[in-house]
Amino acid sequence: AQTVTQSQPEMSVQEAETVTLSCTYDTSENNYYLFWYKQPPSRQMILVIRQEAYKQQNATENRFSVNFQKAAKSFSLKISDSQLGDTAMYFCAFMRLTQGGSEKLVFGKGTKLTVNP
Amino acid sequence: DGGITQSPKYLFRKEGQNVTLSCEQNLNHDAMYWYRQDPGQGLRLIYYSQIVNDFQKGDIAEGYSVSREKKESFPLTVTSAQKNPTAFYLCASRGLGSPLHFGNGTRLTVT
Repeated sequence: AQTVTQSQPEMSVQEAETVTLSCTYDTSENNYYLFWYKQPPSRQMILVIRQEAYKQQNATENRFSVNFQKAAKSFSLKISDSQLGDTAMYFCAFMRLTQGGSEKLVFGKGTKLTVNP
Repeated sequence: DGGITQSPKYLFRKEGQNVTLSCEQNLNHDAMYWYRQDPGQGLRLIYYSQIVNDFQKGDIAEGYSVSREKKESFPLTVTSAQKNPTAFYLCASRGLGSPLHFGNGTRLTVT
């Protein structure tokens, strides 16, 4: 079974600084997706960024980027120029790719990020 | 606008009563999911459905039941057999090749 580990329960960063959230996963699959979701105090789950395992290039979305190390099974999220609105829980998630089979997301336990003014 | 609607936002029930949480989507997605979120536990999968009239148990299905009679709807029933039903419940759906889209969640409190 796949597992996702986020080793940092809580982190804080000053506004405008850069912060990196860690995520490791365990799988024997070769084809899969990885995701970072953000859950602000409203509790709405918002997709931040996703990475296909077959792509070597790290995904980026504006101030958010990932460092995907497939051999190490590591998928960290870097937030640049942190803003107060980035304060949220961040969840790393894994989804294997199958042909017509079950595809479910496995989530880590989350990292609570606080951006301080 | 397309999206996922969960209702109600807050739900209160007495212990021993079954309660059904609604989840409707107009995204034309085939797959739908129910997750439970507890503090410090992340999201845990209860049930999921890949197509109409078919569904599979997730990691914590005991005490829950679902149905998938229509593509748009995937209601979750929390039965009296669920030992700790108080939690935040999230419904999600996914189209082919797309990430999960989530509803706004239902906070269930059982006393």
